[in-house]
Amino acid sequence: EVQLVESGGGLVQPGRSLKLSCAASGFTFSNYGMAWVCQAPTKGLEWVASISTGGGNTYYRDSVKGRFTISRDNAKNTLYLQMDSLRSEDTATYYCARHPARNDYFDYWGQGVMVTVSS
Amino acid sequence: DIQMTQSPPSLSASLGDKVTITCQASQNINKYIAWYQQKPGKAPRLLIRYTSTLESGTPSRFSGSGSGRDYSFSISNVESEDIASYYCLQYDNLPLTFGSGTKLEIK
Repeated sequence: EVQLVESGGGLVQPGRSLKLSCAASGFTFSNYGMAWVCQAPTKGLEWVASISTGGGNTYYRDSVKGRFTISRDNAKNTLYLQMDSLRSEDTATYYCARHPARNDYFDYWGQGVMVTVSS
Repeated sequence: DIQMTQSPPSLSASLGDKVTITCQASQNINKYIAWYQQKPGKAPRLLIRYTSTLESGTPSRFSGSGSGRDYSFSISNVESEDIASYYCLQYDNLPLTFGSGTKLEIK
């Protein structure tokens, strides 16, 4: 069974950093591209970033370029999102999701982790 | 960026009704659209990919169609378990973009 379990969320002040993790199991992690998708409270879904199978290619939405870094450790079956210079508008639930193919749709999602940026 | 205009924002249906949601892309997306169901407090669930291909486990009362810029998603014989929000996603080009969502309620 495919499982994606996020962790690392919480309350953080504007301008500070936070690192999210996503532990994957039930599939060969290194064979799949991965992504982060966010959802602000009572709002819709927004793609944040994606990473290729080996980690050599990364893609970001414009609003997070230069502030967020997606990475992965295939030996640990774990996906990461380093979030720097956080802003109030980054407040959202962040989901880890799997791409069945390169920059494709998302076939499996984690349960999500909440990030609140507030002073 | 490709904009996905989804309508309506909300729907109220009776059990057994057929409902339809539409998504219009700002440019041709070559049928690369997926549809998701999201129940309150839960992660989205993939229902349909590549316009009309049902994912394993998706009931046959769900369907999708379309081409070019215009796509639709339907639920025939709405059941109480279908109460949720529904989102389209285009994956023809980066950035991947979602529609704004449709909230389905039961009358």
